[in-house]
Amino acid sequence: SQKIEQNSEALNIQEGKTATLTCNYTNYSPAYLQWYRQDPGRGPVFLLLIRENEKEKRKERLKVTFDTTLKQSLFHITASQPADSATYLCAISSGSARQLTFGSGTQLTVLP
Amino acid sequence: DAGVIQSPRHEVTEMGQEVTLRCKPISGHDYLFWYRQTMMRGLELLIYFNNNVPIDDSGMPEDRFSAKMPNASFSTLKIQPSEPRDSAVYFCASGATREGEQFFGPGTRLTVL
Repeated sequence: SQKIEQNSEALNIQEGKTATLTCNYTNYSPAYLQWYRQDPGRGPVFLLLIRENEKEKRKERLKVTFDTTLKQSLFHITASQPADSATYLCAISSGSARQLTFGSGTQLTVLP
Repeated sequence: DAGVIQSPRHEVTEMGQEVTLRCKPISGHDYLFWYRQTMMRGLELLIYFNNNVPIDDSGMPEDRFSAKMPNASFSTLKIQPSEPRDSAVYFCASGATREGEQFFGPGTRLTVL
């Protein structure tokens, strides 16, 4: 069966460190993989999209890698700040790029 | 742009009542998605539209759920009759044809007593 797993439900790190979140998938051949941020009481907000033929994508302090052999994406936040505390969701497109299946999310807390 | 607009933000109703959730997508977006989020099941796609036409409704849990998109600027998700297990946060999202990202509304928190 198809499955998307994010490494842990919760991750605590110290301010200034790099946070690394993992998204593993099985029985998908995604055309895209996306990362979203969700704050309590709000809808998810798009952060980054990476295509199957791309190895890495960067945006400011964010970096996403995509390894279709390992069936894994890593999401990095460098120089983390307390304001980065949120739940981060990975999402996979299968078939049509418009249809997404979301992982359960990782709740990141950056401690001051 | 105001972003995706959803109403109401909160809805409390009794079992058996009809519930209608509303969504206004971002102007110019061709795709509209309805999701449901719960602690147990996470964020699940219910149905999505392209150019006002339903494309995939395989996520709609039962016949009690129905969705319409009468025009490019409005969509509804209806639950009739509602049940306590329908309690969740319902999100509407829209997207443009060229890009893959989706823009989510603030959600409607539904509580069915």
